Order: sequence, then C-alpha cells, then structure tokens
Amino acid sequence: GENVEQHPSTLSVQEGDSAVIKCTYSDSASNYFPWYKQELGKGPQLIIDIRSNVGEKKDQRIAVTLNKTAKHFSLHITETQPEDSAVYFCAARGPSQFYFGTGTSLTVIP
Amino acid sequence: DARVTQTPRHKVTEMGQEVTMRCQPILGHNTVFWYRQTMMQGLELLAYFRNRAPLDDSGMPKDRFSAEMPDATLATLKIQPSEPRDSAVYFCASGTRTGARELFFGEGSRLTVL
Repeated sequence: GENVEQHPSTLSVQEGDSAVIKCTYSDSASNYFPWYKQELGKGPQLIIDIRSNVGEKKDQRIAVTLNKTAKHFSLHITETQPEDSAVYFCAARGPSQFYFGTGTSLTVIP
Repeated sequence: DARVTQTPRHKVTEMGQEVTMRCQPILGHNTVFWYRQTMMQGLELLAYFRNRAPLDDSGMPKDRFSAEMPDATLATLKIQPSEPRDSAVYFCASGTRTGARELFFGEGSRLTVL
C-alpha cells in the first residue's frame, strides 16, 4: 500500500517567517494530496489540497507544491502568525482510502 | 453548519470494561472512517464503511474491537474488553464516497483506560 513520510516532526519559527513542511509518497497511482491542520483538542481540518495534474496551488498565505516525478509535495506558509501554531498532516489518497503522514507540530513564536 | 458529531468527548474507564464510541456522520455522506490517534503512531485507520457496509477493518484488532453502522446516521466503535494500550483519541470522519475529495473529521473521543 501507500506510504507517506512527513518531515520535520516539529518546527519552530519566528512570527512573520515562513514555514515549510515536506512529504513523500510511494504509490505513483495516488492522485490527490490534502493537507490538514489540527488545533489542540480538535479534529483535523482541511486547509488546502492539490490534485496530481497540478504543480502548485496557493490560497492567501498557504501554498502547496507537488512534484509527481520525485513523489513529494510540500506545504508552504508565509508570514506566519501565532494562530498558525498547530499540528499539520499531509495525506495521499489511494484507490480506496487516505494515507496520512505522522504530523508536524508547528510553533510560531511571537 | 454540517459537522460530524462524536460522543463521548472524553471517557475514563478501567481495564476490562466495555467502551462504545458513537459517531453521527454529516447528513448525505455515505462513507465513514474510524481513525485512532496516538503520539507514537499518528493517525491510524481502523475501519471504514461505504453505504453502511464495512469495506476494510484490517487496521482493527479483531479480538477486542468491532465497528458497525446500524443505520446511515450512526456509526459505532466498540472495545471489549478495553486495555490500557487502547488509550488514545478516536476520530470519526465522513465523506461523500470512498476516496472522497475531502474528509470531515469529528472532534474526537479521548479514551483513557486505567
């Protein structure tokens, strides 16, 4: 089955700096890659996604890039704010289910 | 505001007791997933259903865990007997079909087994 690896597991940045989280996947048949944000005590919520026929997608301060050849995709958060502090999960959609990375705990230091 | 509802939000029980967690998926969603979240394992898929039929429960310890969908508005995850290693947060998520574009997660049920 699919295997999704995510790095780093923890990330601290100064407010206003950028944060980058990287994921790799193993199954070339995976065609949809969502990113979820999980705040303390809450369930994960979708923040951005990308399909395999697109290389990059942006939504305000958040962007995701996908390199199908190398089988990796990344989340970029610019001008980070304290409210960006959370755990972020990448995922890849296989034929019948989603495969999640192990999560990145992002701390934005005011 | 459509959302996935999970009960209980918190449960503390003693080893050996039966635990039942419930999930109400978003109305109209026909795919339901159960995940377990621990610090060590991240999000583990336990089971999922489409149109109330179990499609895959290979991630679930069969001897003590069971998952069902008695009707389209209720999914249950039962642990009997519970063990301390079952302590985790259990999430239910629903979508519109298998491999749906977006999963909507509930707030989770935090289980502590003493």
